[in-house]
This record gives sequence, structure tokens and C-alpha cells, in this order.
Amino acid sequence: RKEVEQDPGPFNVPEGATVAFNCTYSNSASQSFFWYRQDCRKEPKLLMSVYSSGNEDGRFTAQLNRASQYISLLIRDSKLSDSATYLCVVKGYSTLTFGKGTMLLVSP
Amino acid sequence: DAGVTQSPTHLIKTRGQQVTLRCSPKSGHDTVSWYQQALGQGPQFIFQYYEEEERQRGNFPDRFSGHQFPNYSSELNVNALLLGDSALYLCASSPAENGELFFGEGSRLTVL
Repeated sequence: RKEVEQDPGPFNVPEGATVAFNCTYSNSASQSFFWYRQDCRKEPKLLMSVYSSGNEDGRFTAQLNRASQYISLLIRDSKLSDSATYLCVVKGYSTLTFGKGTMLLVSP
Repeated sequence: DAGVTQSPTHLIKTRGQQVTLRCSPKSGHDTVSWYQQALGQGPQFIFQYYEEEERQRGNFPDRFSGHQFPNYSSELNVNALLLGDSALYLCASSPAENGELFFGEGSRLTVL
């Protein structure tokens, strides 16, 4: 089983749609959780951290279920500029383990 | 304030050659990590340097080695290049071993 698994994608959605990304992780000792965004041929950039209580940043909502070892990201009212690959990331002591990423394509 | 800078941005090598990639961390950061991202994959952890020592290492062969200098900059060396080494090599710095990582734009290596 891979350490971090994500939906294979790509997701093709129209502008204004709501889209959800799912991720599972295998190491129950993982300490921190994140979603990163990576534009084509660019470096990954931190989108948001994920907390057990759930957290929201504008149109983005992240959830963590430690018991199920499951992380999610919800994007509401999708914009063309949301088109990117979304990487689920799990942190142990000091290193990050990335999922393969799920590509999102938002069309007019 | 300059972020993480990497050089070269692109390079082409042939099998069996050696390559050195360079990274300057963000100002105030003392920890440097290197990641390899193959096409269509997520970044894979290679190793991390702190206080000029390799502190952690991922599942990469000894052909991959590195160094950190007193000014916290770092190099990644890959010997005996294989076609499968073709990837985007990302450097990330953080203010401490457990701090938030900031990525450079990467060095894209093509091995022919």
C-alpha cells in the first residue's frame, strides 16, 4: 500500500462547480497534514494545512479524519485559476511524503 | 527577500555522466531538503541537510549524494546517471528541521 494515495484524476469541471479531492495515508504516526497546489511545470506551493477540527480558507475547506486516516479538500465555486494539480502531503518528524496528485481542469 | 533559488533551471546529460545541482535557501533558513519529481508523480524525498550534515535520507541509492555549506546553501550530486534519473529536482528550505518548507522552482534534468 502506498504511503499517500489520492484520487487518480483528472477532474474536469465547469466554472462554479464544487469539487472534492480525497486522500488516504498509511502511517498512523503521521503528525501533520497539508494540501499543496502545483501548477504545470512549477514548484509545489502550500495551499493549506489540515486540522482535525476541519478548517476553511475562503472557497477551500479541508478535513482530517485520523481514525480513518483520511484527508479531504473541497473547492466551492471553482474558478478557471483553480486549474492545477493538488497534492496531498503528510508529514512525519521533518520530511514530507507526497501523494501522486490529482489534476483539476476547470473549463468556462 | 529572495526565496529559494536553484541552478541550473534546465540541463541535459547523457547516461553515465555526473551532475551537480545547486540550491540557495530562503534567507533565515538553515535546513535544506531535496526532492525528485518524475513526470506524473508526486515529489519523492531524497535527503535533508541541517548543520552541514545529512540528517535524514529517503529510499535513493548512494549515487545520490549531497552537501551543505556553512552559508546553508546545498548541492545535490548524482553519479552514473540513468535514463530514469530524468526528473524535476526540487530544493526546499525551512527555518528549522520541523519548519514549513518553501520550494524552489526546481532543476529539470533530462538524461539521454
